Amino acid sequence: KQEVTQIPAALSVPEGENLVLNCSFTDSAIYNLQWFRQDPGKGLTSLLLIQSSQREQTSGRLNASLDKSSGRSTLYIAASQPGDSATYLCAVQETSGSRLTFGEGTQLTVNP
Amino acid sequence: NAGVTQTPKFRILKIGQSMTLQCAQDMNHNYMYWYRQDPGMGLKLIYYSVGAGITDKGEVPNGYNVSRSTTEDFPLRLELAAPSQTSVYFCASSLDHQKQYFGPGTRLTVL
Repeated sequence: KQEVTQIPAALSVPEGENLVLNCSFTDSAIYNLQWFRQDPGKGLTSLLLIQSSQREQTSGRLNASLDKSSGRSTLYIAASQPGDSATYLCAVQETSGSRLTFGEGTQLTVNP
Repeated sequence: NAGVTQTPKFRILKIGQSMTLQCAQDMNHNYMYWYRQDPGMGLKLIYYSVGAGITDKGEVPNGYNVSRSTTEDFPLRLELAAPSQTSVYFCASSLDHQKQYFGPGTRLTVL
């Protein structure tokens, strides 16, 4: 059974710092991996989707990498801003059309 | 486009009561999903649908029912509410069964 773990559970950084969020999964045979952002009381917003054949995806200040063989993904946020404060979740999809398995999330606080 | 909409935003139920959580999307997506999120946890899939008239169980379907009579709507039914169903419920839709678009959620408390 696929399990997804995110470490740390919470992270607090000063504004302007570069930071890395980690996601690990137990079964490396995945179809894709997604990073989501969740603001308090809101739904999830998809940030980046990495196909199993890709090594990384970039969007603005965000860069997500994928290492299938080691079962790891990282989300790099450059020059963090208070508006980046949110919970970040990763989720893996094992095959085309299968369900997503979510991690428990990392709660990020960027202090001005 | 409104995207994915959910009603109500909040609800308190007594044990044994029933209710329907509404979900609608205006993106003409075939795929729709219901998740629940318990405090400090990731999301778990309850039910999903690949098109009108077709539904299937997810990871935690017990205590819930769904129907999909139209492409736009995917209601989730709780028949006999239990305290274990206290959670935040999210509906999502997808065009390609990969990138999913989420609604704002329904916060349900069962007392």
